[in-house]
Amino acid sequence: SYVLTQPPSVSVAPGKTARITCGGNNIGSKSVHWYQQKPGQAPVLVIYYDSDRPSGIPERFSGSNSGNTATLTISRVEAGDEADYYCQVWDSSSDPLVFGGGTKLTVL
Amino acid sequence: QVQLVESGGGLVKPGGSLRLSCAASGFTFSDYYMSWIRQAPGKGLEWVSYISSSGSTIYYADSVKGRFTISRDNAKNSLYLQMNSLRAEDTAVYYCARVLERVYNDYWGQGTLVTVSS
Repeated sequence: SYVLTQPPSVSVAPGKTARITCGGNNIGSKSVHWYQQKPGQAPVLVIYYDSDRPSGIPERFSGSNSGNTATLTISRVEAGDEADYYCQVWDSSSDPLVFGGGTKLTVL
Repeated sequence: QVQLVESGGGLVKPGGSLRLSCAASGFTFSDYYMSWIRQAPGKGLEWVSYISSSGSTIYYADSVKGRFTISRDNAKNSLYLQMNSLRAEDTAVYYCARVLERVYNDYWGQGTLVTVSS
């Protein structure tokens, strides 16, 4: 089955830029979607199709995808961005919806 | 606005059964694929099952295949997950989520907790 690899944790100071990676074999050939999950809450879609933002998601959230790595970038990080972030792809050869293991973003 | 409300979770003994429900509102339920996704305590998200808008196409994760059954009633705007032969490792919060364009989840419910313990 297709495997997505995320770093367990990323730390960033307020106002700086956070980059959360999602690795997978030739992931650049797939579409990547990102979810934010705050403690005790359901996940929220923040990026779909690599770089599109749903309405209501700040422009500070952006995404890219190339080669073996997809990246979620959060600019001008705020305390309220502290959460777990998960990448996800659709894979026709295995489980349809595959999630990465998640990355805990800590705002210092 | 889109709302998904799960129910049916609770405490069940190993080997027991439980049926989860998800009531949908705020959109044309019969137009969308739906999925169940779970999260064990302190762990990440795990996709469980997926059903097409008509119910004709269904997928299961290997971890639940043969034990769980997903279904839907478009007339009642409801999604279901029948869980049999439950194991301790099935303990998790179970979320229902709307699937957009078959490939990602744009709305999630708040989840229902299933605890499998003797």
